[in-house]
This record gives sequence, structure tokens and C-alpha cells, in this order.
Amino acid sequence: AQSVTQPDIHITVSEGASLELRCNYSYGATPYLFWYVQSPGQGLQLLLKYFSGDTLVQGIKGFEAEFKRSQSSFNLRKPSVHWSDAAEYFCAVGAGTYKYIFGTGTRLKVLA
Amino acid sequence: GAGVSQSPSNKVTEKGKDVELRCDPISGHTALYWYRQSLGQGLEFLIYFQGNSAPDKSGLPSDRFSAERTGGSVSTLTIQRTQQEDSAVYLCASSLLGGGNEKLFFGSGTQLSVL
Repeated sequence: AQSVTQPDIHITVSEGASLELRCNYSYGATPYLFWYVQSPGQGLQLLLKYFSGDTLVQGIKGFEAEFKRSQSSFNLRKPSVHWSDAAEYFCAVGAGTYKYIFGTGTRLKVLA
Repeated sequence: GAGVSQSPSNKVTEKGKDVELRCDPISGHTALYWYRQSLGQGLEFLIYFQGNSAPDKSGLPSDRFSAERTGGSVSTLTIQRTQQEDSAVYLCASSLLGGGNEKLFFGSGTQLSVL
């Protein structure tokens, strides 16, 4: 069965520090992979997506993610975190013609 | 419209009452999704619409939940005889065609509280 695992429920980093949010997926075919961000009281906004080709994907707000097939991972990274990055982050896999499977989310706290 | 619009943004109801949640997707988007977001549970798929048809209702938790979409646009999620476990944020999303490789556009959600 398709699944997405985000092993870290909460992560706290200092402003200016680097960030890596983990995502592992289970899917039988080549997946479509996504990262979304949800600010408090808001809906989800797409940060980036991977379909094929270059395994390092650039997104908005300075985020990037790397697809590693051998590890079934699609980790999200940012070199230097800003206080405005505090939010909840969701990894998702496109699991068929219309279906998307979301992870349980990682809540990021940024210390000033 | 400019984005996906959901109303009301907050709804407080008493156990046993019926509630209706509305979603107005982006104009021209044929695919519409409802998700439920509970604390620490991520996004739970409820139902998918392609146009006015719902080919996948598999995520609806019980027969108290129903949804419809009219005119290929506005959708309403109805919860009958609400229970406390129905308390959650209900998110609506739309996409252009409904392929599994598309960007989903989300509304801000309806926070439902059942007392």
C-alpha cells in the first residue's frame, strides 16, 4: 500500500541555521512527490514537486528537495531558515490518476 | 475566483445537529477534493469529484457524511447528526484536471467544533 512517513513531528531550529525535513514514501512505481507548507489558519501551499529528471528540485522561498530512489526519500532542505518559515510541512505522493497520499506533517519552530 | 474559497471559516455546533460546509474552487478546475485534518493526523482523504461526479467516496467516514458538487463548481460537504469526533479542520482543494501529478490549490479550511 502507498504511504508517506514524516518521522519528525516537531523540529526546532535557530534562525539562520540549516534545515532538513525528512520524508520517506512507499510506492510501487515512479512517484510524483510534493512538499506543501501550511501556515497557521491557512490552507496548504505547494513548495515544490518532483516528477522526473534532475533529482534535486528547487522550489519557492529558497527550499529544495532531493529525490533518492534507493532510499525512497524526498527530504526538504533550506540552507538558512527565516523566522517566517515557522509552519507545518507536509510531504505527499501522487498515488494514481487523482489520489494523493499525505504524511502526518512536521511542525517547524524557529528560534530568534 | 482568485483562489479556493471555503465557508464558514469556523463553525461551532452542538452534538446531533447537521452542518454544511461549502467550497468554491478555482474557476475552470474540474477536480475537487475534500480532506479532513485532525490534530497530529495529517490530511485524511474524504472524497474526490471530477466535474459533478464523485468517482471516489471511499474516504467518507460514515453514512452521516455526504457531499455534492453542482455546475462543476461549488461543492457542499454535509455532516448529519454531528458527533464530537467530527471536530476537525475540513480542507477543500481543487486542481485543473485531476491527475496525480498536479498542484493542488487549497482553501483555508473550515474549523468545525462539535460541543
